[in-house]
Amino acid sequence: NAGVTQTPKFQVLKTGQSMTLQCAQDMNHNSMYWYRQDPGMGLRLIYYSASEGTTDKGEVPNGYNVSRLNKREFSLRLESAAPSQTSVYFCATSPGRGQPQHFGDGTRLSIL
Amino acid sequence: QQQVKQSPQSLIVQKGGIPIINCAYENTAFDYFPWYQQFPGKGPALLIAIRPDVSEKKEGRFTISFNKSAKQFSLHIMDSQPGDSATYFCAASPDSGAGSYQLTFGKGTKLSVIP
Repeated sequence: NAGVTQTPKFQVLKTGQSMTLQCAQDMNHNSMYWYRQDPGMGLRLIYYSASEGTTDKGEVPNGYNVSRLNKREFSLRLESAAPSQTSVYFCATSPGRGQPQHFGDGTRLSIL
Repeated sequence: QQQVKQSPQSLIVQKGGIPIINCAYENTAFDYFPWYQQFPGKGPALLIAIRPDVSEKKEGRFTISFNKSAKQFSLHIMDSQPGDSATYFCAASPDSGAGSYQLTFGKGTKLSVIP
């Protein structure tokens, strides 16, 4: 019963380092999403992929890139990490638009 | 910017009480309104969702009330239990057209249910 699996669960980076967060789903959902969660800010959408082969910007895309590797996998890359990117990152999936989104348990990322 | 305003930020109730969490939105294109429950160290989990064709939806002890004219919706938890202590998020999106993949979240309400 894996659902949405995120790796790693924790990571500490130094400013300027690069990092790729991985997300894999076994729910056969078409759409995948990356959010960040900061205290008092709720969840904010970084990027999403409506279907395999497509990606679009969300509310806070600056400093990030994404790759929809196949239907199962959607990765988030920080090319040059900054302290402002310290956050908890969540991957989510849904069957399609306007449908329930299912979340992984997050990656806790600290940038020093 | 599309917003969903959630209140209160935090809420403390006695076991058996009925906490109520309120959300208000501005975008009239929103027509899908889910609520998520999040425990510490875990991702948000879908609790219950409503669309504007109904004014109320109940699932177990959780009820959503929806007021389309006021652009407000709320979550009620009947007979609250200590195990309900969590952070609750409301959200909204259109279910078609532009932006329909983008859930806009409220900032969350931390609920504590005291035994």
